Amino acid sequence: TQLLEQSPQFLSIQEGENLTVYCNSSSVFSSLQWYRQEPGEGPVLLVTVVTGGEVKKLKRLTFQFGDARKDSSLHITAAQPGDTGLYLCAGFDRGSTLGRLYFGRGTQLTVWP
Amino acid sequence: EADIYQTPRYLVIGTGKKITLECSQTMGHDKMYWYQQDPGMELHLIHYSYGVNSTEKGDLSSESTVSRIRTEHFPLTLESARPSHTSQYLCASSPPGPLYGYTFGSGTRLTVV
Repeated sequence: TQLLEQSPQFLSIQEGENLTVYCNSSSVFSSLQWYRQEPGEGPVLLVTVVTGGEVKKLKRLTFQFGDARKDSSLHITAAQPGDTGLYLCAGFDRGSTLGRLYFGRGTQLTVWP
Repeated sequence: EADIYQTPRYLVIGTGKKITLECSQTMGHDKMYWYQQDPGMELHLIHYSYGVNSTEKGDLSSESTVSRIRTEHFPLTLESARPSHTSQYLCASSPPGPLYGYTFGSGTRLTVV
């Protein structure tokens, strides 16, 4: 059973366009994290959002955590080829004994010059 | 510089061979994890550790084993490699709690022929 659904699975856009990717779940999470992974490398943490309704900005990237702490979105303004990568969302489940992250399948973003 | 290291980066090995994937971190984190990643699929947790002499199996049924004799070292061993073990293996570590992200290694790409 997939806990976190990410959409779209693939996104191919031109440089300068805006985009939004989504991460949805029926479960409530203590926090939600976004990672970016480039080919041949491990995921790298971009942001952690904790409070329902929270919005965080990281240069051209805007992250939002849903009010109910079940979903999140990532918006990129004026995308650049350097934004190309696999974007993964991960929810932290404090209810489990491990207190662990569950990952979505990711959105593969390609930005063409 | 605090980091997490995985070796080898790439490995091609014959069926039936015993292999050990190495993972070391310099951040003093108690929590460490092994994930398996296949294209288009979510990261699957295969083993985790809370600290020295503490190891547990994750979600994905795995024929691998792990050990945690030292805080910084968390090797994964496959006693008898099979083609179904072909995958990307990612090691990660983290501080405790939902506010902290995982630091991932660059991964080991394993191919069993």
